[in-house]
Amino acid sequence: GAVVSQHPSRVICKSGTSVKIECRSLDFQATTMFWYRQFPKQSLMLMATSNEGSKATYEQGVEKDKFLINHASLTLSTLTVTSAHPEDSSFYICSATSGGTYEQYFGPGTRLTVT
Amino acid sequence: AQSVTQLDSHVSVSEGTPVLLRCNYSSSYSPSLFWYVQHPNKGLQLLLKYTSAATLVKGINGFEAEFKKSETSFHLTKPSAHMSDAAEYFCVVSPTNAGGTSYGKLTFGQGTILTVHP
Repeated sequence: GAVVSQHPSRVICKSGTSVKIECRSLDFQATTMFWYRQFPKQSLMLMATSNEGSKATYEQGVEKDKFLINHASLTLSTLTVTSAHPEDSSFYICSATSGGTYEQYFGPGTRLTVT
Repeated sequence: AQSVTQLDSHVSVSEGTPVLLRCNYSSSYSPSLFWYVQHPNKGLQLLLKYTSAATLVKGINGFEAEFKKSETSFHLTKPSAHMSDAAEYFCVVSPTNAGGTSYGKLTFGQGTILTVHP
Protein backbone atom coordinates (compact mmCIF):
# COMPACT_ATOMS: atom_id res chain seq x y z
CA GLY A 1 0.00 0.00 0.00
CA ALA A 2 0.81 3.74 -0.09
CA VAL A 3 2.30 3.81 -3.57
CA VAL A 4 3.05 7.08 -5.33
CA SER A 5 3.87 7.25 -9.02
CA GLN A 6 5.33 10.00 -11.15
CA HIS A 7 5.11 10.51 -14.87
CA PRO A 8 7.24 10.89 -16.83
CA SER A 9 10.33 9.39 -15.23
CA ARG A 10 12.57 11.33 -17.56
CA VAL A 11 11.88 14.27 -19.86
CA ILE A 12 14.03 16.38 -22.13
CA CYS A 13 12.66 19.68 -23.37
CA LYS A 14 13.93 22.71 -25.21
CA SER A 15 14.57 26.00 -23.50
CA GLY A 16 11.47 28.18 -23.48
CA THR A 17 8.96 25.35 -23.53
CA SER A 18 6.79 24.13 -20.68
CA VAL A 19 6.70 20.65 -19.22
CA LYS A 20 4.17 19.00 -16.95
CA ILE A 21 5.00 16.37 -14.34
CA GLU A 22 2.27 14.24 -12.78
CA CYS A 23 2.22 12.79 -9.29
CA ARG A 24 -0.39 10.19 -8.43
CA SER A 25 -1.28 8.35 -5.26
CA LEU A 26 -2.28 4.92 -6.52
CA ASP A 27 -3.95 3.29 -3.55
CA PHE A 28 -4.85 6.04 -1.13
CA GLN A 29 -6.34 9.50 -1.10
CA ALA A 30 -3.69 12.14 -0.71
CA THR A 31 -4.98 15.18 1.10
CA THR A 32 -1.59 16.85 0.84
CA MET A 33 1.14 16.53 -1.73
CA PHE A 34 4.62 17.99 -1.64
CA TRP A 35 7.03 18.85 -4.44
CA TYR A 36 10.78 18.67 -3.92
CA ARG A 37 13.72 19.53 -6.09
CA GLN A 38 17.08 17.81 -5.90
CA PHE A 39 20.17 19.18 -7.60
CA PRO A 40 23.01 16.77 -8.39
CA LYS A 41 24.83 15.61 -5.30
CA GLN A 42 22.59 17.73 -3.07
CA SER A 43 19.74 17.15 -0.70
CA LEU A 44 16.03 17.55 -1.34
CA MET A 45 14.61 21.03 -1.08
CA LEU A 46 10.90 21.51 -0.54
CA MET A 47 9.40 23.67 -3.27
CA ALA A 48 5.75 23.74 -2.34
CA THR A 49 2.94 22.08 -0.44
CA SER A 50 -0.40 21.54 -2.09
CA ASN A 51 -3.72 20.62 -0.53
CA GLU A 52 -6.49 19.21 -2.67
CA GLY A 53 -8.75 21.93 -3.98
CA SER A 54 -6.74 24.87 -2.74
CA LYS A 55 -3.76 26.93 -3.84
CA ALA A 56 -0.30 25.62 -3.24
CA THR A 57 1.93 27.13 -0.59
CA TYR A 58 5.36 27.90 -1.99
CA GLU A 59 8.61 27.99 -0.08
CA GLN A 60 10.60 31.17 0.01
CA GLY A 61 12.53 31.74 -3.19
CA VAL A 62 10.37 29.48 -5.36
CA GLU A 63 8.65 31.33 -8.19
CA LYS A 64 4.99 30.38 -8.17
CA ASP A 65 4.45 31.70 -11.68
CA LYS A 66 7.23 29.51 -12.99
CA PHE A 67 6.39 26.35 -11.11
CA LEU A 68 2.64 25.94 -11.43
CA ILE A 69 1.13 23.38 -9.09
CA ASN A 70 -2.37 21.98 -9.42
CA HIS A 71 -3.94 19.52 -6.98
CA ALA A 72 -7.36 19.05 -8.52
CA SER A 73 -8.16 15.66 -7.04
CA LEU A 74 -7.25 13.53 -4.05
CA THR A 75 -5.04 11.33 -6.20
CA LEU A 76 -3.36 13.70 -8.61
CA SER A 77 -1.08 16.71 -8.39
CA THR A 78 0.76 18.27 -11.30
CA LEU A 79 3.84 20.45 -11.47
CA THR A 80 4.26 22.51 -14.63
CA VAL A 81 7.61 24.12 -15.26
CA THR A 82 6.84 27.07 -17.49
CA SER A 83 9.31 28.62 -19.92
CA ALA A 84 11.94 26.16 -18.85
CA HIS A 85 15.61 27.10 -18.85
CA PRO A 86 18.70 24.95 -18.49
CA GLU A 87 19.03 25.96 -14.84
CA ASP A 88 15.67 24.27 -14.20
CA SER A 89 17.26 20.94 -15.04
CA SER A 90 16.94 18.87 -11.92
CA PHE A 91 15.40 15.82 -10.28
CA TYR A 92 11.86 16.56 -9.14
CA ILE A 93 10.31 14.34 -6.49
CA CYS A 94 6.79 14.43 -5.14
CA SER A 95 5.40 12.96 -1.96
CA ALA A 96 1.92 12.47 -0.64
CA THR A 97 0.34 12.02 2.74
CA SER A 98 -2.69 9.94 3.60
CA GLY A 99 -4.62 11.88 6.18
CA GLY A 100 -4.46 9.43 9.07
CA THR A 101 -0.74 9.25 9.72
CA TYR A 102 0.57 12.24 7.79
CA GLU A 103 3.56 10.12 6.85
CA GLN A 104 4.93 11.15 3.48
CA TYR A 105 5.22 8.57 0.72
CA PHE A 106 7.62 9.47 -2.05
CA GLY A 107 7.35 9.04 -5.77
CA PRO A 108 10.25 7.69 -7.84
CA GLY A 109 11.18 11.12 -9.19
CA THR A 110 11.31 12.81 -12.59
CA ARG A 111 14.58 13.77 -14.23
CA LEU A 112 14.11 17.00 -16.19
CA THR A 113 16.76 18.09 -18.66
CA VAL A 114 16.36 21.42 -20.43
CA THR A 115 18.53 21.88 -23.52
CA ALA B 1 12.50 25.62 13.75
CA GLN B 2 14.24 22.40 12.89
CA SER B 3 17.46 21.37 11.21
CA VAL B 4 19.47 18.26 10.52
CA THR B 5 23.22 17.80 10.21
CA GLN B 6 24.70 14.67 8.74
CA LEU B 7 28.24 14.67 9.98
CA ASP B 8 29.82 12.78 7.09
CA SER B 9 29.25 13.47 3.42
CA HIS B 10 30.95 10.19 2.46
CA VAL B 11 31.44 6.94 4.35
CA SER B 12 33.40 4.03 2.95
CA VAL B 13 33.33 0.53 4.46
CA SER B 14 34.31 -2.97 3.46
CA GLU B 15 31.66 -5.58 2.85
CA GLY B 16 30.85 -7.42 6.07
CA THR B 17 32.02 -4.61 8.38
CA PRO B 18 29.75 -2.36 10.47
CA VAL B 19 28.15 0.78 9.12
CA LEU B 20 27.69 3.99 11.10
CA LEU B 21 26.06 7.04 9.53
CA ARG B 22 25.85 9.98 11.90
CA CYS B 23 23.00 12.45 12.25
CA ASN B 24 22.38 15.27 14.69
CA TYR B 25 19.20 17.27 14.78
CA SER B 26 17.89 20.48 16.20
CA SER B 27 14.22 20.99 16.94
CA SER B 28 12.19 23.36 19.06
CA TYR B 29 9.54 20.66 19.63
CA SER B 30 9.30 16.90 19.90
CA PRO B 31 10.66 15.59 16.63
CA SER B 32 9.91 12.69 14.39
CA LEU B 33 13.07 11.37 12.79
CA PHE B 34 13.52 9.30 9.67
CA TRP B 35 16.24 7.68 7.62
CA TYR B 36 15.68 7.36 3.89
CA VAL B 37 17.86 5.66 1.30
CA GLN B 38 18.17 6.77 -2.31
CA HIS B 39 19.79 4.68 -5.00
CA PRO B 40 21.07 6.53 -8.10
CA ASN B 41 18.28 8.18 -10.09
CA LYS B 42 15.66 6.61 -7.88
CA GLY B 43 13.16 7.94 -5.39
CA LEU B 44 13.41 7.67 -1.64
CA GLN B 45 12.80 4.52 0.34
CA LEU B 46 12.00 4.73 4.03
CA LEU B 47 14.44 2.69 6.13
CA LEU B 48 13.04 3.46 9.56
CA LYS B 49 11.36 6.14 11.64
CA TYR B 50 11.15 7.35 15.22
CA THR B 51 7.96 9.06 16.36
CA SER B 52 8.16 9.15 20.19
CA ALA B 53 7.85 5.45 20.94
CA ALA B 54 10.83 3.14 21.55
CA THR B 55 14.13 4.95 21.24
CA LEU B 56 15.84 2.05 19.47
CA VAL B 57 14.22 1.68 16.10
CA LYS B 58 14.69 -1.28 13.81
CA GLY B 59 14.19 -0.84 10.10
CA ILE B 60 14.43 -2.75 6.89
CA ASN B 61 17.52 -4.51 5.54
CA GLY B 62 19.09 -4.89 8.98
CA PHE B 63 19.41 -1.17 9.72
CA GLU B 64 18.61 0.35 13.08
CA ALA B 65 18.90 3.75 14.72
CA GLU B 66 18.81 5.01 18.28
CA PHE B 67 17.18 8.26 19.30
CA LYS B 68 19.30 9.96 21.97
CA LYS B 69 17.60 13.10 23.17
CA SER B 70 20.47 14.16 25.42
CA GLU B 71 22.84 14.06 22.47
CA THR B 72 20.26 15.22 19.90
CA SER B 73 21.41 12.36 17.72
CA PHE B 74 19.82 9.69 15.57
CA HIS B 75 22.70 7.67 14.15
CA LEU B 76 22.05 4.88 11.67
CA THR B 77 23.86 1.57 12.08
CA LYS B 78 24.09 -1.84 10.51
CA PRO B 79 26.24 -4.69 11.86
CA SER B 80 27.44 -5.96 8.51
CA ALA B 81 27.48 -4.01 5.25
CA HIS B 82 26.36 -5.55 2.00
CA MET B 83 27.30 -4.42 -1.48
CA SER B 84 23.65 -3.54 -2.13
CA ASP B 85 23.76 -1.01 0.72
CA ALA B 86 25.82 1.35 -1.42
CA ALA B 87 23.59 4.40 -1.88
CA GLU B 88 22.91 7.84 -0.47
CA TYR B 89 21.26 8.11 2.92
CA PHE B 90 19.24 11.02 4.23
CA CYS B 91 18.38 11.83 7.83
CA VAL B 92 15.11 13.73 8.07
CA VAL B 93 13.27 15.54 10.87
CA SER B 94 9.68 16.70 11.15
CA PRO B 95 7.41 17.91 13.95
CA THR B 96 5.31 15.44 15.93
CA ASN B 97 1.74 16.10 16.94
CA ALA B 98 0.17 15.37 20.30
CA GLY B 99 -0.75 11.91 19.14
CA GLY B 100 2.87 11.06 18.42
CA THR B 101 2.51 11.20 14.67
CA SER B 102 4.80 13.01 12.28
CA TYR B 103 3.19 15.94 10.53
CA GLY B 104 4.20 19.02 8.61
CA LYS B 105 7.37 19.81 6.74
CA LEU B 106 10.22 17.40 6.40
CA THR B 107 13.69 18.87 6.73
CA PHE B 108 16.41 16.86 5.04
CA GLY B 109 20.02 16.51 5.99
CA GLN B 110 22.68 16.97 3.37
CA GLY B 111 22.99 13.27 2.70
CA THR B 112 25.73 10.69 3.24
CA ILE B 113 27.02 8.63 0.38
CA LEU B 114 27.86 5.12 1.50
CA THR B 115 30.41 3.18 -0.52
CA VAL B 116 30.88 -0.52 0.13
CA HIS B 117 34.10 -2.17 -1.02
CA PRO B 118 34.33 -5.89 -1.74
